[in-house]
Amino acid sequence: AQSVTQPDIHITVSEGASLELRCNYSYGATPYLFWYVQSPGQGLQLLLKYFSGDTLVQGIKGFEAEFKRSQSSFNLRKPSVHWSDAAEYFCAVDRGSTLGRLYFGRGTQLTVWP
Amino acid sequence: DTAVSQTPKYLVTQMGNDKSIKCEQNLGHDTMYWYKQDSKKFLKIMFSYNNKELIINETVPNRFSPKSPDKAHLNLHINSLELGDSAVYFCASSQQSRRTTNYEQYFGPGTRLTVT
Repeated sequence: AQSVTQPDIHITVSEGASLELRCNYSYGATPYLFWYVQSPGQGLQLLLKYFSGDTLVQGIKGFEAEFKRSQSSFNLRKPSVHWSDAAEYFCAVDRGSTLGRLYFGRGTQLTVWP
Repeated sequence: DTAVSQTPKYLVTQMGNDKSIKCEQNLGHDTMYWYKQDSKKFLKIMFSYNNKELIINETVPNRFSPKSPDKAHLNLHINSLELGDSAVYFCASSQQSRRTTNYEQYFGPGTRLTVT
């Protein structure tokens, strides 16, 4: 069964518009949560992560994400999207049971219209 | 000062050949990983080494053999390549002893393997 779900395969927004990318996981305990971004032909860059504590986490490039335990969600947000944000975004989960095994969602492709 | 590097970046080869992909990290991390990204962009872990010891070995054909000569290197050797092996292979590293809020995996740029 899919452990990490990103329900939106492709999202298109206009530059300057707000953005929310959804991520849900299916583990019972609170795992470690990550968002990565992959630009075309590039590796993965970490945007932000959640381990514990404040459920609203700030990341690089103006991104933030909110962990909601009741919904098993970790949605990524940005108030104003820039054209350079066009990329593939991956949510990832580390269940903590085995050293560093990351389970990735299928990714969301973000297109930004000028 | 690249953190995680992989060579080669592109690899085109024929079915049945044997090939290797090399990975090096200069972050002083104790754990390294290999991930496979298929044509639909799905990423899945293949192997992980901690201090040169294999700790994660997913259901991967035994044609794939990782080798870690030291903590800074994790190579991936693939025997008898098949069409289905075509993918992008990512190396990553992390410091497991800092498994707190400082923990994260750093990824290399990827190696695009095409088997014809």
